[in-house]
Amino acid sequence: AQKVTQAQTEISVVEKEDVTLDCVYETRDTTYYLFWYKQPPSGELVFLIRRNSFDEQNEISGRYSWNFQKSTSSFNFTITASQVVDSAVYFCALRTNAGKSTFGDGTTLTVKP
Amino acid sequence: DAGVIQSPRHEVTEMGQEVTLRCKPISGHNSLFWYRQTMMRGLELLIYFNNNVPIDDSGMPEDRFSAKMPNASFSTLKIQPSEPRDSAVYFCASSQDRDLTGELFFGEGSRLTVL
Repeated sequence: AQKVTQAQTEISVVEKEDVTLDCVYETRDTTYYLFWYKQPPSGELVFLIRRNSFDEQNEISGRYSWNFQKSTSSFNFTITASQVVDSAVYFCALRTNAGKSTFGDGTTLTVKP
Repeated sequence: DAGVIQSPRHEVTEMGQEVTLRCKPISGHNSLFWYRQTMMRGLELLIYFNNNVPIDDSGMPEDRFSAKMPNASFSTLKIQPSEPRDSAVYFCASSQDRDLTGELFFGEGSRLTVL
């Protein structure tokens, strides 16, 4: 069985603050992939990043960065200098070679001007 | 490039009626997923197909739900008879999978309200 936990249900920050969204996962597979998706108020889920279990290098893309730590089964997402347009629900997901894609419950981020 | 296309975007129906949701995946993608999203249960995987074959339907709530993928460019999710508790947003997603580990591309969703 696999499970993704996003303990933070809601986070509210003021524009320009940095914010980190936590994600903890469980799986018995040794090969797996982790993802982050964004669901803005318009409703459509948008893919942000995919990482495989053998690559623990952190990744940075503009104001977004991801920290993968296998030792703690975590794949956290940080937004630097947050903006109002970052307001959305963010989902962490796990996928194994069995194909099933399991999502966390999501973290609702509100960035206030 | 066209993304995943779902129809209808909104559906309001009465309890007991049959509902059919449709999905056209991205051309060239070989995996297709149906998810249901509600406030109470979040995003639930209902069923997914790989190369038009259902791989895991363990998330399908009950016999009232059925899904088909007759070809690589079309899938349906049917609810018969519908009940108020089926009210949710239903998402279709597709993936270009070499090893069943690709990222998912989602449609805009079909918002179903059962009165």
